[in-house]
Amino acid sequence: GDSVTQMEGPVTLSEEAFLTINCTYTATGYPSLFWYVQYPGEGLQLLLKATKADDKGSNKGFEATYRKETTSFHLEKGSVQVSDSAVYFCALAYTGRRALTFGSGTRLQVQP
Amino acid sequence: DAGVTQSPTHLIKTRGQQVTLRCSPKSGHDTVSWYQQALGQGPQFIFQYYEEEERQRGNFPDRFSGHQFPNYSSELNVNALLLGDSALYLCASSLRDRGWTEAFFGQGTRLTVV
Repeated sequence: GDSVTQMEGPVTLSEEAFLTINCTYTATGYPSLFWYVQYPGEGLQLLLKATKADDKGSNKGFEATYRKETTSFHLEKGSVQVSDSAVYFCALAYTGRRALTFGSGTRLQVQP
Repeated sequence: DAGVTQSPTHLIKTRGQQVTLRCSPKSGHDTVSWYQQALGQGPQFIFQYYEEEERQRGNFPDRFSGHQFPNYSSELNVNALLLGDSALYLCASSLRDRGWTEAFFGQGTRLTVV
């Protein structure tokens, strides 16, 4: 079945450092890919998405590119802030099916 | 816009009891999905409701059931609670015609079974 694998956390960075959170997926078809973020005590928020190969999703300085050849959707940000501290979830879903399949999440801690 | 609202925020129940969790979708949304998020894990899909019917179900036993009302709000019911049902239960809403895959999540209900 379909699955999403994320790098284990926590990822601890200093403010203004470069961020990469790895995400790879296994899928039988061509899903859309998502990054969701969960701040402490809150629900999940959609951060960005890409619907087909080579698409780049971007939002709030975060970017991720849908790489079909490596089945990856790595999240990057050039300069993290303390306010980016949260848990980040990679997910996939198919048009026509109704469920999001999530990875296990990666906790990011940014120190001032 | 109030977004997706869930109630209650926290709940403690005893093994064997039954529980009902409630969700009001984002204004204008017609589809509600429920997810279970165990501690340290990603959310797992339970089921989705559209037009008051269960449209798809994840790998959860029949102890988990739901309902959607004409105003699109939804309930999740869990019978015969087990310790392993302790988790954060998330409700997500979406608009079918706009691409249901872009879901908006509530803050969740933290269920503790003792």
